[in-house]
Amino acid sequence: AQSVTQLDSQVPVFEEAPVELRCNYSSSVSVYLFWYVQYPNQGLQLLLKYLSGSTLVKGINGFEAEFNKSQTSFHLRKPSVHISDTAEYFCAVSERNAGNMLTFGGGTRLMVKP
Amino acid sequence: DGGITQSPKYLFRKEGQNVTLSCEQNLNHDAMYWYRQDPGQGLRLIYYSQIVNDFQKGDIAEGYSVSREKKESFPLTVTSAQKNPTAFYLCASTQLSGNTIYFGEGSWLTVV
Repeated sequence: AQSVTQLDSQVPVFEEAPVELRCNYSSSVSVYLFWYVQYPNQGLQLLLKYLSGSTLVKGINGFEAEFNKSQTSFHLRKPSVHISDTAEYFCAVSERNAGNMLTFGGGTRLMVKP
Repeated sequence: DGGITQSPKYLFRKEGQNVTLSCEQNLNHDAMYWYRQDPGQGLRLIYYSQIVNDFQKGDIAEGYSVSREKKESFPLTVTSAQKNPTAFYLCASTQLSGNTIYFGEGSWLTVV
């Protein structure tokens, strides 16, 4: 079985500051890793994903994430946030060859302040 | 435009009533999913289907039922047996040969 832990339930940050949202996972097999963003009262939108290859993955809206196999982490970063980045962010994992079954973390609420 | 359409966006239900949430996709995806999201929490899998006329229980299937009569449709019925149905419900889909799941805009269900 796999699990995902998002270490911070809320992250307040000032506009134009850098931000890191932390995600750790556990799994006994190789995995795919995902970050989704959810704006209020909306569905989830894919930010980026790691499937294989380069451990640094770039996504939409200036976000990037780095896969660290030894630390089983997939932290999300942005060098300079905007007010519009205020949202809920979910880290998720699926096991390779397991039929696209996602396991989600509890989410991190990013609050960007002016 | 291709996508996943959920309806209604907001639904109110009296206790003891069954309600059905609609999910339609025109992406020609094989697999479809229903997730439940409670405020401030992550998503939990209710049911999924990888092929027409077949579906499997997820982690929290009790009090819910689904059908998959057509590839593009995967309705979810919240029955009166579901004790705490007030939540945000998300439908999703993917190609079985793919590796990314896409989500609809969600439906709010409130029991009054």
